[in-house]
Amino acid sequence: DGGITQSPKYLFRKEGQNVTLSCEQNLNHDAMYWYRQDPGQGLRLIYYSQIVNDFQKGDIAEGYSVSREKKESFPLTVTSAQKNPTAFYLCASSPWRSTDTQYFGPGTRLTVL
Amino acid sequence: AQSVTQLGSHVSVSEGALVLLRCNYSSSVPPYLFWYVQYPNQGLQLLLKYTSAATLVKGINGFEAEFKKSETSFHLTKPSAHMSDAAEYFCAVSGDQFYFGTGTSLTVIP
Repeated sequence: DGGITQSPKYLFRKEGQNVTLSCEQNLNHDAMYWYRQDPGQGLRLIYYSQIVNDFQKGDIAEGYSVSREKKESFPLTVTSAQKNPTAFYLCASSPWRSTDTQYFGPGTRLTVL
Repeated sequence: AQSVTQLGSHVSVSEGALVLLRCNYSSSVPPYLFWYVQYPNQGLQLLLKYTSAATLVKGINGFEAEFKKSETSFHLTKPSAHMSDAAEYFCAVSGDQFYFGTGTSLTVIP
């Protein structure tokens, strides 16, 4: 079955540690996205990539980093510079254009202890 | 630039009653509009999409939405609410990028 997988489902991090969230898709989509979701604030775009080896900052990129070495994979690193990282993180992909439907993974809930 | 506004962060309906979730958009170009549903601790699932082919769009689970250009609205409706409809609903508009509304939490009262 085609789809988007995110791992792990739940992640706990100590303050000061970097942590990497995985996102993989087998839909052959060109574009991939990372969103952060906090209660009452909807979805906020962290980073997006429209092609391998290229990515752009979204609205809240500070404290995060990404890579896009393969079409199928778009991992997100939450660095120690992110002051309030506890949130629900969603990965999405779309065939190409920004007008294309975005398809979402199941999400990773990150908690800082 | 594009944006969406969802009126009402919380909506409660009785089981069997009409569901109406409101969405207004702003766009300088003909928009693509979407409704997504999110169940607790899950990702977003596409309910329906408007692409200018027809103003009344039918989606999954009995939902539909009507595009009204004169009102810049794209409200989501379902004739009869079911307990399983309880979830968070997001309206979105696409242009240079996706813009999501802040969501409406739907509660269905038995």
